[in-house]
Amino acid sequence: DAKTTQPPSMDCAEGRAANLPCNHSTISGNEYVYWYRQIHSQGPQYIIHGLKNNETNEMASLIITEDRKSSTLILPHATLRDTAVYYCARRPKDDKIIFGKGTRLHILP
Amino acid sequence: DADVTQTPRNRITKTGKRIMLECSQTKGHDRMYWYRQDPGLGLRLIYYSFDVKDINKGEISDGYSVSRQAQAKFSLSLESAIPNQTALYFCAARGEYTEAFFGQGTRLTVV
Repeated sequence: DAKTTQPPSMDCAEGRAANLPCNHSTISGNEYVYWYRQIHSQGPQYIIHGLKNNETNEMASLIITEDRKSSTLILPHATLRDTAVYYCARRPKDDKIIFGKGTRLHILP
Repeated sequence: DADVTQTPRNRITKTGKRIMLECSQTKGHDRMYWYRQDPGLGLRLIYYSFDVKDINKGEISDGYSVSRQAQAKFSLSLESAIPNQTALYFCAARGEYTEAFFGQGTRLTVV
């Protein structure tokens, strides 16, 4: 199973939107895209997921390209508490959850 | 109270020893997973289970075994621990239509 690909680190100014990209070029039609974040070495926490349509919840927005080969997680107004490692994951039909290496997001004051 | 509880939280063991990491969940989820995390490598799937006594290998199952004797519990064993199994281990549980809930992790050091 191919993993997702993410940049290893990103910076974002506090109060600005943080846009975290993920490449999943080999994703199949029935695989969901999930986003989790991990603060320090705590257990990862769910943020959002989607299949084809863009999704929004109280934490973030998920934009999935029409060909589904990539997606972007958007944190609309980043705060210092959003400093974490963000993981993009795939859930294929056999129900494994396959994580990439994550992006370490630094929020700059 | 945490939905997914891992014990122990920290463990130091010697090379060659057998060790078991325990995971329990209170949500009645049928799917449970064990992951290993190493610096710069993200989360790698070791084993997963969809029901009692159902066991499936993940990406890196060699050197590990698991047991699912009850829906709420999923244990990970290292039959003969080696130093390169030093890592942070996470257990997760999810229902068919829910996201995965992770435990707080077990930091294992093999000396």
